[in-house]
Amino acid sequence: KQEVTQIPAALSVPEGENLVLNCSFTDSAIYNLQWFRQDPGKGLTSLLLIQSSQREQTSGRLNASLDKSSGRSTLYIAASQPGDSATYLCAVIRYTGTASKLTFGTGTRLQVTL
Amino acid sequence: DTEVTQTPKHLVMGMTNKKSLKCEQHMGHRAMYWYKQKAKKPPELMFVYSYEKLSINESVPSRFSPECPNSSLLNLHLHALQPEDSALYLCASSQFLATEAFFGQGTRLTVV
Repeated sequence: KQEVTQIPAALSVPEGENLVLNCSFTDSAIYNLQWFRQDPGKGLTSLLLIQSSQREQTSGRLNASLDKSSGRSTLYIAASQPGDSATYLCAVIRYTGTASKLTFGTGTRLQVTL
Repeated sequence: DTEVTQTPKHLVMGMTNKKSLKCEQHMGHRAMYWYKQKAKKPPELMFVYSYEKLSINESVPSRFSPECPNSSLLNLHLHALQPEDSALYLCASSQFLATEAFFGQGTRLTVV
């Protein structure tokens, strides 16, 4: 069974800092990996999708990397802002032959302070 | 447009009630999903529909009944729920299997 862990569970940083969120998974037979953010009580907003053939994906201040062989992905956030405060979730995507399954990590709760 | 619309946003129902959650997308996506999320926990997969056919049922109790009337709509019919079923129910869709998934804002369900 796929286990997805995110470290740290919570993080508080001052505005302007660069930070790294970690995601590790136990089964490397994944298809893709997707990063999301979730504001309290809200749905999930897609940030980045990394396909299994890629090692990195960038969108604005966000950069995500994927190393399937070691079962790790990182999300790098540059020049953090208070608006980045949210819970960040990684999800590994596995194709079963008839459907795809997203298995979510445990999440990192980020607070960016002024 | 990458919008997945869920209605209602909030729902309070008694244990003997029957209600339905609705999810709609107009992105031409052929895979649609229901997830359940308890407070401070990650979402957990309930059902996957691929090309309007049920592909995955994660051993969900029969008091939850999914339906996919067409490629744009996904319903979740609820009957005889328990208080522990109270959660945020999230719908998602993706264009093809294993590609980027887009989520709705969820329905906050409270069972009393």
